[in-house]
Amino acid sequence: NAGVTQTPKFQVLKTGQSMTLQCAQDMNHNSMYWYRQDPGMGLRLIYYSASEGTTDKGEVPNGYNVSRLNKREFSLRLESAAPSQTSVYFCASISSSYNEQFFGPGTRLTVL
Amino acid sequence: DQQVKQNSPSLSVQEGRISILNCDYTNSMFDYFLWYKKYPAEGPTFLISISSIKDKNEDGRFTVFLNKSAKHLSLHIVPSQPGDSAVYFCAASGSGTYKYIFGTGTRLKVLA
Repeated sequence: NAGVTQTPKFQVLKTGQSMTLQCAQDMNHNSMYWYRQDPGMGLRLIYYSASEGTTDKGEVPNGYNVSRLNKREFSLRLESAAPSQTSVYFCASISSSYNEQFFGPGTRLTVL
Repeated sequence: DQQVKQNSPSLSVQEGRISILNCDYTNSMFDYFLWYKKYPAEGPTFLISISSIKDKNEDGRFTVFLNKSAKHLSLHIVPSQPGDSAVYFCAASGSGTYKYIFGTGTRLKVLA
């Protein structure tokens, strides 16, 4: 039981490049989330997916797209990376008991 | 507009004493509150939660208090241990929204 896994762990991009952050969970959770963590800003919700086939914007969705590929996987895409997107990105999923989110280990992204 | 606020960026406490971390929220629609703990280079882990129908929830050394009229919650850790040194985030959610809003975090340092 791996929980929530994220790939890659680290990534450096140049401005304008694109990339996809991958997230998978093996806990049969319905809801999945993408957050970014910046110094002094806490965790800010980018997008979430309440269930397979649905996605919704969070607090800071601009510059990102998401895909809920199936119940297990929720990917985050940066179409044209900008230095302002330098951050640590966390994926999370939640049990149907609506109690707690389980977080992945994070992806540290630097955009030059 | 920050809907969930943690006004103390850091807190230092002596080992064995009580740690009190505070959190304020502005949205009266929030009805479920959680605390997470985060170590460096790891994802946040769930600590304790409270529903708005309660004013206190206890789990071992951790107790969360909710004051709905003041829109304030606090996390008490008694006794504090060096292993409690981490960043603590509070989070809030409204009924049926699947959307969690996090505060900016408080870095707790427990001194041996």
